[in-house]
Amino acid sequence: QVQIVQSGAEVKKPGASVKVSCKTSGYTFTNYAIHWVRQAPGQRLEWMAWINTANGNTQYSPKFLDRITITRDTSATTTYMELSSLKSEDTTVYYCATGATPVNIASESDYFDYWGQGTQVTVSS
Amino acid sequence: EIVLTQSPGTLSLSPGERATLSCRASQSISSNFLAWYQQKLGQAPRLLIYGAFSRATGIPDRFSGSGSGTDFTLTINRLEPEDFAVYYCQQYGNSAITFGQGTRLEIK
Repeated sequence: QVQIVQSGAEVKKPGASVKVSCKTSGYTFTNYAIHWVRQAPGQRLEWMAWINTANGNTQYSPKFLDRITITRDTSATTTYMELSSLKSEDTTVYYCATGATPVNIASESDYFDYWGQGTQVTVSS
Repeated sequence: EIVLTQSPGTLSLSPGERATLSCRASQSISSNFLAWYQQKLGQAPRLLIYGAFSRATGIPDRFSGSGSGTDFTLTINRLEPEDFAVYYCQQYGNSAITFGQGTRLEIK
């Protein structure tokens, strides 16, 4: 069955970068996109970015455009989200999730059928 | 971007009762591209409904979605103890995906 396992919790200083990994299994990696969503305590979920796992194309939310990078390693069926210039407001849980639409017809506008367990990122001096 | 407003903020019901959760959009959602998720404490969201009314794989038929345009509803019949959680709606009809702020369903 589909499994998504994210890397463990991170503690970073303001201004630093963090790289979170998202390893998937149980399906053909390049058939479905990976999206990244974050959720601050008591806040609504916030979409950040997606990657077309077949061709590597990405699209980022304007809010994170200048400091987020999504990459993938098809041989490792793993996707990475790197967020730079961290601020205290970036302290939150980061999720990766599979887009439900086959990647050949998918866009950044999709719903998410499988989610990773989440990665807590804490930004503190 | 489309703003989704969920109501009520908290819903207190007893097992066996019916829950009705609302999600209202600031503008019409194209093709009824509206999904619902359930999230329990410390867990990732779980997909319940997509396309406004289609149940995701493995979701019991006591969960149903309805609505169109700007007004959508998630109905949970015959509440089970495991249904008490936070529920979010999400629109994906607009390129800027957005989520509602959530409705907490708690045991009365």
